[in-house]
Amino acid sequence: QSALTQPPSVSGSPGQSVTISCTGTSSDVDSYDRVSWYQQPPGTAPRLMIYEVSNRPSGVPDRFSGSKSGSTASLTISGLQAEDEADYYCSSYTSTSVVFGGGTKLTVL
Amino acid sequence: EVQLLESGGGLVQPGGSLRLSCTASGFILRNYGMTWVRQAPGKGLEWVSSITGSGDARYYADSVKGRFTISRDNSKNTLYLQMNSLRAEDTALYYCAKYRTYGDPNLDYWGQGALLTVSS
Repeated sequence: QSALTQPPSVSGSPGQSVTISCTGTSSDVDSYDRVSWYQQPPGTAPRLMIYEVSNRPSGVPDRFSGSKSGSTASLTISGLQAEDEADYYCSSYTSTSVVFGGGTKLTVL
Repeated sequence: EVQLLESGGGLVQPGGSLRLSCTASGFILRNYGMTWVRQAPGKGLEWVSSITGSGDARYYADSVKGRFTISRDNSKNTLYLQMNSLRAEDTALYYCAKYRTYGDPNLDYWGQGALLTVSS
């Protein structure tokens, strides 16, 4: 399973919306709704923000949303806040393996 | 409260071995698959290995296959990662993480990580 492709960085001002893309292939992202997103602020462990493309675990603000079109999944953060500044990773899985994207650094200006 | 606590990290020479442990609390370990994910300094996340709740199935990244072994002792609420034939490129912070539900490998709880440094 090949790594998923994410932009290295994105930025936005407080209150704005930003979208982070995650591109896979017809073998993973396009074929299954098995895309998740993790947030990792500096010096901390990752946190699950979205699973199965668009589902939010309990406790995740509804400012975070996920979607998918073909081989590209997206994480959108609306109403950007300073605390959202972090690295974000997408992930996909098969029955026998997991793959992460390279990560996107979100800067809140 | 779900907690995962990794231990056993350290400095190892190339070719050496080390075993990481992950002690779980706040949930019934045998009901959940578990995963090891690593992060090299300044780099992204890399999946290492996963194991089902009963331990009957284990999966490995190609980069560690044949060198690392994942196991679990549900009676001790502990997950392990035995690492042999270590290389410099294995240097990383190793996280253990819990499946969100029985068969769902989305990782909803993570430990704080154990640091492995492979260097002579």
